[in-house]
Amino acid sequence: DAGVIQSPRHEVTEMGQEVTLRCKPISGHNSLFWYRQTMMRGLELLIYFNNNVPIDDSGMPEDRFSAKMPNASFSTLKIQPSEPRDSAVYFCASSFPQGHLNTEAFFGQGTRLTVV
Amino acid sequence: AQSVTQLDSQVPVFEEAPVELRCNYSSSVSVYLFWYVQYPNQGLQLLLKYLSGSTLVKGINGFEAEFNKSQTSFHLRKPSVHISDTAEYFCAVTRTDSWGKLQFGAGTQVVVTP
Repeated sequence: DAGVIQSPRHEVTEMGQEVTLRCKPISGHNSLFWYRQTMMRGLELLIYFNNNVPIDDSGMPEDRFSAKMPNASFSTLKIQPSEPRDSAVYFCASSFPQGHLNTEAFFGQGTRLTVV
Repeated sequence: AQSVTQLDSQVPVFEEAPVELRCNYSSSVSVYLFWYVQYPNQGLQLLLKYLSGSTLVKGINGFEAEFNKSQTSFHLRKPSVHISDTAEYFCAVTRTDSWGKLQFGAGTQVVVTP
């Protein structure tokens, strides 16, 4: 398996523009997580899905952020409109469900977002 | 809620010397514990995890960690480091009854010099 695949790897956009980050989880995993990493706040969980259903989005910072998982092999994180303080590295991770012998979260390479 | 404290933000160490990275957690319920490593411009890679059973867990690349419930600690150790171990290391915890919400520590930057 190629692992968790995120695109794009780098994104530079202007303030006010819409940004869409994409994630393809590992085949067979049914839990998917979006994290954000900044120097100031470290790694924060934004939202996670089980079986394509959002379970906890309490980490989503504002209404400008939204996430979807239309099927088991694809998820998006959208920011509209984007602001400079959204600049960060966004990670997607996937895992088997709780109780599975191989319970661990596998991370993608991340998307480095810069909003200017 | 649970929290994770990594006591050292940076640890310089000489090649072939031992290293210990300290992690303490707090939680009112049972937890699972993890150590991840992040190389520059990369995602996070799991080093090891404690779910249950033996409190001494061995991971990849010669790392091991010991779960100490009374001390609420999960310190990471390696007896002899290599230059390639230069990276940032994150301790993380999740409640056993709500898998998925990984709470990460602030990270410890390990710098290995010859």
